[in-house]
Amino acid sequence: GQSLEQPSEVTAVEGAIVQINCTYQTSGFYGLSWYQQHDGGAPTFLSYNALDGLEETGRFSSFLSRSDSYGYLLLQELQMKDSASYFCAVFGSGNTGKLIFGQGTTLQVKP
Amino acid sequence: EPEVTQTPSHQVTQMGQEVILRCVPISNHLYFYWYRQILGQKVEFLVSFYNNEISEKSEIFDDQFSVERPDGSNFTLKIRSTKLEDSAMYFCASSEEDRVSPLHFGNGTRLTVT
Repeated sequence: GQSLEQPSEVTAVEGAIVQINCTYQTSGFYGLSWYQQHDGGAPTFLSYNALDGLEETGRFSSFLSRSDSYGYLLLQELQMKDSASYFCAVFGSGNTGKLIFGQGTTLQVKP
Repeated sequence: EPEVTQTPSHQVTQMGQEVILRCVPISNHLYFYWYRQILGQKVEFLVSFYNNEISEKSEIFDDQFSVERPDGSNFTLKIRSTKLEDSAMYFCASSEEDRVSPLHFGNGTRLTVT
């Protein structure tokens, strides 16, 4: 089966940099995704890493190390609107596109 | 930008009643999903649907649940006899043909079973 671990909460100040880590166990690996969810809202796609290394999209970057079964989401120049939950997720082993989500990390950005 | 739409946004029902949650996926997407999220918890997979049939379902998706794509645009989740523990946010999602393409989620239906 699949399981993912990430910290439950992270707090940072506006303008800072924060890193949210994710470790995973999976039978068959098809990439690590990150989703953002504001309170009560829809999860929205942030990034996807299929290969090792860093992917950058504006203020957000995501890193993957397949040998360590580890990835992280890096948020730079934090803004108040970045306060949200962040979920790492892996695709299931079946050919269905199913995503398995971690428990989520609640990021609180303070002024 | 095209989006997944869900109705209703809130649904209150009594235990034992049937509910139907409705979704309109993005029109050129081929994979459809239902997920649920109990308050404060993670997003849990319920079922995936492709080519007019269920392609995978979780252990949560028991005989009380069913899905249908009655026409070319709608995708529905039916809970036959609701239980208190079915209270959750239900998200519909869709993705393009590539199985590793990102999922696009609707805004969800908050189901409250009393």
